[in-house]
Amino acid sequence: LAKTTQPISMDSYEGQEVNITCSHNNIATNDYITWYQQFPSQGPRFIIQGYKTKVTNEVASLFIPADRKSSTLSLPRVSLSDTAVYYCLVGDYNNDMRFGAGTRLTVKP
Amino acid sequence: DAGITQSPRHKVTETGTPVTLRCHQTENHRYMYWYRQDPGHGLRLIHYSYGVKDTDKGEVSDGYSVSRSKTEDFLLTLESATSSQTSVYFCAISEIPGQGSTDTQYFGPGTRLTVL
Repeated sequence: LAKTTQPISMDSYEGQEVNITCSHNNIATNDYITWYQQFPSQGPRFIIQGYKTKVTNEVASLFIPADRKSSTLSLPRVSLSDTAVYYCLVGDYNNDMRFGAGTRLTVKP
Repeated sequence: DAGITQSPRHKVTETGTPVTLRCHQTENHRYMYWYRQDPGHGLRLIHYSYGVKDTDKGEVSDGYSVSRSKTEDFLLTLESATSSQTSVYFCAISEIPGQGSTDTQYFGPGTRLTVL
């Protein structure tokens, strides 16, 4: 199973762009990279998924370099409501992925 | 939001008693999962199901059993609850992974279980 490493916590201010990097040195050829967001007292919510290069949706962008050993979740112009825990997962099947401790993002006014 | 409910939402029980948590979905998704979440550990997979009566163990399955007699219901049972099983339990569902992607998981609201 590919293991992921991400910062335990990050602080930012409203309106800034936030980049959270995840390391996954042992990623396998068939593995996808998926990010989830979790607010207190709620279950995680899917944000974005990618295999290589760049993926963008209405919420975030995901940058994946050619060697795929890391990935960066980019949140543009964060607001207070983006304060949450963000999880990076790697795997090719949902039951094969591990959530880890995630990155606790705190957005300050 | 995906139609997933969990019951009960909160439960306090005593060590040694049996406990059953229920996850109910209205999405007709094939896959269902049970996770537990503890401080510092993120979410850890307990058991999952890939169809009616088809289940398999996850990362932390000891002390837990599951059953799935209908597509919409996935039950998690603690045969004899211990204090180490005090946690928040989340149920999740997903559709059959499409070719070239893992599909996404949709999570329920969680059940907070306290074992005294």
